[in-house]
Amino acid sequence: SQKIEQNSEALNIQEGKTATLTCNYTNYSPAYLQWYRQDPGRGPVFLLLIRENEKEKRKERLKVTFDTTLKQSLFHITASQPADSATYLCAQGTGNQFYFGTGTSLTVIP
Amino acid sequence: SAVISQKPSRDICQRGTSLTIQCQVDSQVTMMFWYRQQPGQSLTLIATANQGSEATYESGFVIDKFPISRPNLTFSTLTVSNMSPEDSSIYLCSVALGTWDTEAFFGQGTRLTVV
Repeated sequence: SQKIEQNSEALNIQEGKTATLTCNYTNYSPAYLQWYRQDPGRGPVFLLLIRENEKEKRKERLKVTFDTTLKQSLFHITASQPADSATYLCAQGTGNQFYFGTGTSLTVIP
Repeated sequence: SAVISQKPSRDICQRGTSLTIQCQVDSQVTMMFWYRQQPGQSLTLIATANQGSEATYESGFVIDKFPISRPNLTFSTLTVSNMSPEDSSIYLCSVALGTWDTEAFFGQGTRLTVV
């Protein structure tokens, strides 16, 4: 069955540093991966999508990579700010059904 | 984009009772999705709701426990039946506007506590 894992439950970093979150998948090869942000008491909000034929995608301070050899996606937040503190979810889509990873809780310390 | 309104936002229910959660979307969509997010965990897909047909349930979820209605292209309900404390969770409604390679939009969720 499809399985998608995020290898850190929690990550604490100093403000201004780059946060790097990892998403690994097994048992299948997704055509694309997505990253979402979830704040407490709210539904996830879409951030970025990367397709299997794309190595890297950027949006402002966010960068996502997709390595089909390693079966891994990395999500980077550069120049991190306390407002970036949230849970970040990786998701794999099949058509328009989505399966989510376990999530990584990021805390940016001022 | 899509704006999704979910009601209620939270509720505390007695075990053995049922709760119906409503999801309203500001545009017509073919499929709507219901997820459960248990405390401290990620989202698990419960079922996919298509207008005009029965919902499709994921492994581990059954219609008797989680009946779903989809009367039109902008509205759906999820009922959590015969609740037990294990059903305490956040329930989320979601839509995707395309059929492939598209982002998902979520409601704010319904926080259910069963006592």
